[in-house]
Amino acid sequence: QVQLQESGPGLVKPSETLSLTCTVSGYSISSGYYWGWIRQPPGKGLEWIGTIYHTGSTYYTPSLKSRVTISLDTSKNQFSLKLSSVTAADTAVYYCARAEYSSGLFDYWGQGTLVTVSS
Amino acid sequence: ETVLTQSPATLSLSPGERATLSCRASESVSRYLAWYQQKPGQAPRLLIYDASNRATGIPARFSGSGSGTDFTLTISSLEPEDFAVYYCQQRNNWPGTFGQGTKVEIK
Repeated sequence: QVQLQESGPGLVKPSETLSLTCTVSGYSISSGYYWGWIRQPPGKGLEWIGTIYHTGSTYYTPSLKSRVTISLDTSKNQFSLKLSSVTAADTAVYYCARAEYSSGLFDYWGQGTLVTVSS
Repeated sequence: ETVLTQSPATLSLSPGERATLSCRASESVSRYLAWYQQKPGQAPRLLIYDASNRATGIPARFSGSGSGTDFTLTISSLEPEDFAVYYCQQRNNWPGTFGQGTKVEIK
């Protein structure tokens, strides 16, 4: 059974960099699939942030592309999200998920982690 | 980017009733549309992919249809556990986008 678990700080100051890690169990991320991040502001809908292929190729949504970096650590079976220059608008629950394609179809999800941007 | 508009925003129904949810795309997404269910405090769960294929373990009361710009998710007879928010998502056009969601609530 594939399982994903997000981890990272729950509070980030404005203008700083948000950093989250997703630990995958039950499947080796170097074997295949895309691995992605999606966020959901409180009380709002879902926003796709980006995905990374098992080869390391990355795909980011245009509106966030200048601030986002997604990377793999195959030795730890983890992938990570960095979002720079955060503002209050980046406050959201952040989910990691496995994707069949670069632009979506997410079949396994983490439970999500709330990140609040505040001083 | 492709905008997905879901309607209605809220659907108030009783257990046992049929639910019909709509997702309309601003441009063709072929059949590359998925539906997800999200309950409070939980991650979304994949229900339907490629417009009409049920994901693993999804009950047969959930069905999807459509192609191009108009899609429908039907729940044939609502069970208590089906009251939730439903999102559509397209992967045909870059970047992948989600609809704003339809809440199915108990009447």
